[in-house]
Amino acid sequence: SQTIHQWPATLVQPVGSPLSLECTVEGTSNPNLYWYRQAAGRGLQLLFYSVGIGQISSEVPQNLSASRPQDRQFILSSKKLLLSDSGFYLCAWSDLYTGANYNEQFFGPGTRLTVL
Amino acid sequence: DAKTTQPNSMESNEEEPVHLPCNHSTISGTDYIHWYRQLPSQGPEYVIHGLTSNVNNRMASLAIAEDRKSSTLILHRATLRDAAVYYCILVTQGGSEKLVFGKGTKLTVNP
Repeated sequence: SQTIHQWPATLVQPVGSPLSLECTVEGTSNPNLYWYRQAAGRGLQLLFYSVGIGQISSEVPQNLSASRPQDRQFILSSKKLLLSDSGFYLCAWSDLYTGANYNEQFFGPGTRLTVL
Repeated sequence: DAKTTQPNSMESNEEEPVHLPCNHSTISGTDYIHWYRQLPSQGPEYVIHGLTSNVNNRMASLAIAEDRKSSTLILHRATLRDAAVYYCILVTQGGSEKLVFGKGTKLTVNP
């Protein structure tokens, strides 16, 4: 069966510090991968998605970046965090060709980031 | 991506049915209607999806209006574990695979 891992679970970082959040998926090949952010009291915002190694699409221009160095690994980074980067970061994967569950996305447990 | 409209919040009593409405008046013929829910401090989870016909699974039922401009997610017997934010999302077949989450409906289940 497929599983998705995210780490760390929680993170407190000072403003201006770098960030690296990692997401890995097991049990599937060539998944679509997604990074979402949920600010406190708000809905989910898609940040990046990837359909393959080295292929990243950005949804919102900001100080964050994403990379996909391996098929099942997705990394979210920042060189300098802002206060507004605080939130709940979720990684998700999907397999387009799953028959009945067209485009079902499976979400990881999330990383709660607080920037002080 | 086409937009959906949902009530901000709804309340239900435990073991009673819950009908969560969603309006999508600008839906196109290739848009699937997906429902996800997000429990507190967790990532969203898929609930159900449909195109034209009503759908049932172990979690819920999805009733789709004949003109497809609205749909209703039905929880047949609400439990306290069903308290969550429910999102109605349109996904275009053959288009972008992105999910565009709105604000959803926060469901409160009273014991």
